Amino acid sequence: KQEVTQIPAALSVPEGENLVLNCSFTDSAIYNLQWFRQDPGKGLTSLLLIQSSQREQTSGRLNASLDKSSGRSTLYIAASQPGDSATYLCAVGPSNTPLVFGKGTRLSVIA
Amino acid sequence: GAGVSQSPSNKVTEKGKDVELRCDPISGHTALYWYRQSLGQGLEFLIYFQGNSAPDKSGLPSDRFSAERTGGSVSTLTIQRTQQEDSAVYLCASSLRQGPYNEQFFGPGTRLTVL
Repeated sequence: KQEVTQIPAALSVPEGENLVLNCSFTDSAIYNLQWFRQDPGKGLTSLLLIQSSQREQTSGRLNASLDKSSGRSTLYIAASQPGDSATYLCAVGPSNTPLVFGKGTRLSVIA
Repeated sequence: GAGVSQSPSNKVTEKGKDVELRCDPISGHTALYWYRQSLGQGLEFLIYFQGNSAPDKSGLPSDRFSAERTGGSVSTLTIQRTQQEDSAVYLCASSLRQGPYNEQFFGPGTRLTVL
């Protein structure tokens, strides 16, 4: 059974810092990995999707990497801003079943 | 519509009552998913639909939960005889088609509180 772990569970940083969020998964037989953002009381916003054949994806200040063989992904946020404060969720897509989610990292960026 | 919509946004009900939650996927998306997010827990898969195929119900926690999708579009998740442990945020997502290369887009969720 696929399990997804996100470390740390919570993170607080001053504005302007670069930061890395970690995601690990137990079964490397995945087809994709998706990073989401969730604001309090809101649904999920897709940030980046990395297909299994890809090593990384970039969108603005966000960069996500994928290392299937080691079962790891990282989300790098450059020059963090208070508006980046949210919970970040990592989810992996196995071959024929819906996404399996981690419990998220709650990020606070302090002005 | 522009995105996935869900209704109601909030639902408070008494233990033992039935509730229906609605999801309108993005137009043209053939795959539709229901997930549940309980306090302090991650998102857990409930059920998904792909086109006209039989739905995958493997994530439904009990036979009190059921879902249908009419006309390949709107979906309704029904919880019968609600229990307090059913309190959670129920999220719906859709994708262009089911499969590993298709990004899932989520609705805002329905927050269910069972008193």
